[in-house]
Parts: sequence; C-alpha cells; structure tokens
Amino acid sequence: DTGVSQDPRHKITKRGQNVTFRCDPISEHNRLYWYRQTLGQGPEFLTYFQNEAQLEKSRLLSDRFSAERPKGSFSTLEIQRTEQGDSAMYLCASSPPLAGDYNEQFFGPGTRLTVL
Amino acid sequence: GDSVTQMEGPVTLSEEAFLTINCTYTATGYPSLFWYVQYPGEGLQLLLKATKADDKGSNKGFEATYRKETTSFHLEKGSVQVSDSAVYFCALRGWSNAGGTSYGKLTFGQGTILTVHP
Repeated sequence: DTGVSQDPRHKITKRGQNVTFRCDPISEHNRLYWYRQTLGQGPEFLTYFQNEAQLEKSRLLSDRFSAERPKGSFSTLEIQRTEQGDSAMYLCASSPPLAGDYNEQFFGPGTRLTVL
Repeated sequence: GDSVTQMEGPVTLSEEAFLTINCTYTATGYPSLFWYVQYPGEGLQLLLKATKADDKGSNKGFEATYRKETTSFHLEKGSVQVSDSAVYFCALRGWSNAGGTSYGKLTFGQGTILTVHP
C-alpha cells in the first residue's frame, strides 16, 4: 500500500494559463474525492467519483474546473484560465467500497498551486 | 447546509498540559464526526471518529465524545507532548442528497494550530 499520490506537488503558473493535476488513489479504492484548502482554512469539498462516474460536484467547482476519472483509477483535475483566487492546496482522497456506515478517507499530500 | 466551527487558535501549551479544542457542528440527518490531524509537511490523517450520538472516539491519548444535545465534538488530551504539535481539523460526514445516499464528502472546520513547548 503506497498511499494516495498526487502530482505535481507544487505548481506555479501565470494567470490565464491552464493547469492539470493528477491523483493516484490507493489501489482498489473505488471512491475518490477532490478538496481545496486555502491558507488558514479547512479543506472544502469539490467533487466525488465512484469508479468512473462523477456523482457529486460542489458549487465551488465553476465551469473553469473539470475533473475526470476515465478508467476508474487515477483522476485528473484541470483548471482553465487560472485566476489568482485559484491559489490553494488541492487535496485528493480515496476510500474503499462502502462497508456499513463508515469508510475512512485517505488523503494524499496535495498539490500546491500558486497563480501569479 | 452542513457546517463545522472550531475554537479560535492558535493554541500554545507546555508539555504535559491538558488540551481541549472545541468543535460544534450544524447538520441535517445523522452525521458522523471526525478529528483529522496534519503534522508539519505531511498530509491529513484520521485521528479519531464517532458515528452516532454518545459514541466516544479515542486514539493516541486523544478523546472526543459525540454530543448530539449540544451538537459538539470537543477534542481532549490529558497530557500533551511536543510531538502533538500539528494542525487539528474537526469534520463531519453527513447525508449528501435527498435520496438519502451518502457519498461520504467531509465538511471541515477551519483548523486549530497546536504548538507544544518542552
């Protein structure tokens, strides 16, 4: 078990550029979540995948944001036409198929985005 | 919607002092409650959980009791160590749509920075 990995760990970009982040969940975890964490705040939910299906999106996920999980394994989060307000830590978490009432989410180290 | 409020921080304590970090929540349905910890340079880790009213979660000397009557889940530790220095997040998992299906998304508080001095 290598844990949830995210790539890149840091990304610096200029306003208006597009960026894409990747998340590799723990193998056999069919549930995958994206969160955004700004400085001094807790993580905020962005979107949820169950296998390859995107089942929930937050209103925080504007039309400049798109997430995919094409084969139900890794996921990508793309931000188009980045703005300075997009600067944040983007966190990915995965969890195994639901067993009973609870399954733990395992978090990756995050991708820190800085928009200049 | 669901929300979590944590006590204002940061919190600075001496080693072996008693720790309380307050957490209150607002949620519909039957939320589960969690404390996550983020050590310097590391990702979020689950510290403890409670899935129904009056449950007590515990781990590594930390405890929190799910109090539905006061909508609270305060984190406590009787004797903190320098190694407990980290950011602590209270979180809840509620029901995410009218159909009653829980997709498991977490709602976090703003976090409390704890610094423990020798």
